[in-house]
Amino acid sequence: KNEVEQSPQNLTAQEGEFITINCSYSVGISALHWLQQHPGGGIVSLFMLSSGKKKHGRLIATINIQEKHSSLHITASHPRDSAVYICAAVTQGGSEKLVFGKGTKLTVNP
Amino acid sequence: SAVISQKPSRDICQRGTSLTIQCQVDSQVTMMFWYRQQPGQSLTLIATANQGSEATYESGFVIDKFPISRPNLTFSTLTVSNMSPEDSSIYLCSVERARGGYGYTFGSGTRLTVV
Repeated sequence: KNEVEQSPQNLTAQEGEFITINCSYSVGISALHWLQQHPGGGIVSLFMLSSGKKKHGRLIATINIQEKHSSLHITASHPRDSAVYICAAVTQGGSEKLVFGKGTKLTVNP
Repeated sequence: SAVISQKPSRDICQRGTSLTIQCQVDSQVTMMFWYRQQPGQSLTLIATANQGSEATYESGFVIDKFPISRPNLTFSTLTVSNMSPEDSSIYLCSVERARGGYGYTFGSGTRLTVV
């Protein structure tokens, strides 16, 4: 079992729909990142969370430390949101490391 | 946040050859990280590169296969040596807490295909 699990693996939505991507982790973390990967491979950091909720434009990220779960929401989805979304946990301990989920491929159709 | 310029963005290489990937950061950073993302898989850390010392490699990765240079605080290279089709992946560099900020910044990735 991977230390960071994402669901769903693939998600297809119609433009305007509300999107939720889930991330569960089994390790102790100091923070969790949500990343967006474009088709060329480049990665953009969307959020870094250690508690609660963050919002940026149409994107909302939440984390529940007790339940070891985080969600990324996209409101009023648009075709330009089509990308792979990756959650990455920053592990606690002497040497912090990023542990990545496999990603959720989102396709938003017009 | 920092800006990372990663080159090349993609390449198609013959097996047995080597490819060097470069990452240039627009600010000084202590550590740079190199990742591999095989098709359908999550990112995996190859090594951590500190300026002025040998890179630290993760289990399953060795210096002979993935030599790394870190000549200064803004630049690093990763070489994929003696390539085989199994090396076909996306390779990414990353830095942490650049410009005194928080979190990670990633390069634009190098999509490598070995034929």
